[in-house]
Amino acid sequence: EADIYQTPRYLVIGTGKKITLECSQTMGHDKMYWYQQDPGMELHLIHYSYGVNSTEKGDLSSESTVSRIRTEHFPLTLESARPSHTSQYLCASSERKQGVVGELFFGEGSRLTVL
Amino acid sequence: SQQGEEDPQALSIQEGENATMNCSYKTSINNLQWYRQNSGRGLVHLILIRSNEREKHSGRLRVTLDTSKKSSSLLITASRAADTASYFCATGLLNTGFQKLVFGTGTRLLVSP
Repeated sequence: EADIYQTPRYLVIGTGKKITLECSQTMGHDKMYWYQQDPGMELHLIHYSYGVNSTEKGDLSSESTVSRIRTEHFPLTLESARPSHTSQYLCASSERKQGVVGELFFGEGSRLTVL
Repeated sequence: SQQGEEDPQALSIQEGENATMNCSYKTSINNLQWYRQNSGRGLVHLILIRSNEREKHSGRLRVTLDTSKKSSSLLITASRAADTASYFCATGLLNTGFQKLVFGTGTRLLVSP
C-alpha cells in the first residue's frame, strides 16, 4: 500500500470560495505531483515539485497554486473556485532516481465540485 | 497532441479470456509504465519496461515494447471480474532538468463473470 494521503476525498462548494486540497506522503519522496483528471479522461500534470521550496507549473495551465514547505506535504490551493474547476485532483509522489523516471505512487484523489 | 494514445478505448470480455491493450507514443522515452485505476480511485502502478527491454512479465501481465514503432501492449491473461478497471500507459520522459510521466488516454476494461 502506498503511503500517500489526500483530503478531502469529496468536496462540494460554491463559486468564489477558497479551497485547499491536502496531500501528504510518508515515504520521504523528493518528487511530488498534482494531476487533474476529468471523468473517463486522461491525466494532465498541473504542478510538480522536486523538493522543499521547489514548485513548477505542469503541462496544463491551472489557476491553482501549490507550496512545498515540508518534504511530506504538497497542498494545492484555489483562491476563488469556479464551476470550470470541477474535476478530480490526484496527488502523486516518486523517488528521485538519477537518469530514470520512477514509478508514481498516487493518493486516492480529491473530487471537487463547484456549484 | 497527447503523447500516448491507447486503443481500444473500451474493451468488454468474459472471465477467463485474455485482454490486450495497445499504447502508441510520439517521442523518445526513458521507460514506459502501465497503471490501473478503479472507478473513482487513484492509480496503481502495474509494471515498468525500460526503453532497452522488449518484453516483461509480472504474474498474469505481459508487456511488450517496440521502440521502432513507438508502441507498447499490455496483455492480461485469464482475466477475472476483479480486473475491471481503466488501464493507462505512461511514457517516462527525460527532458532537460525534469523527469516526467505523460499519461495516455486509457482503456476501460470490463470483465463479465
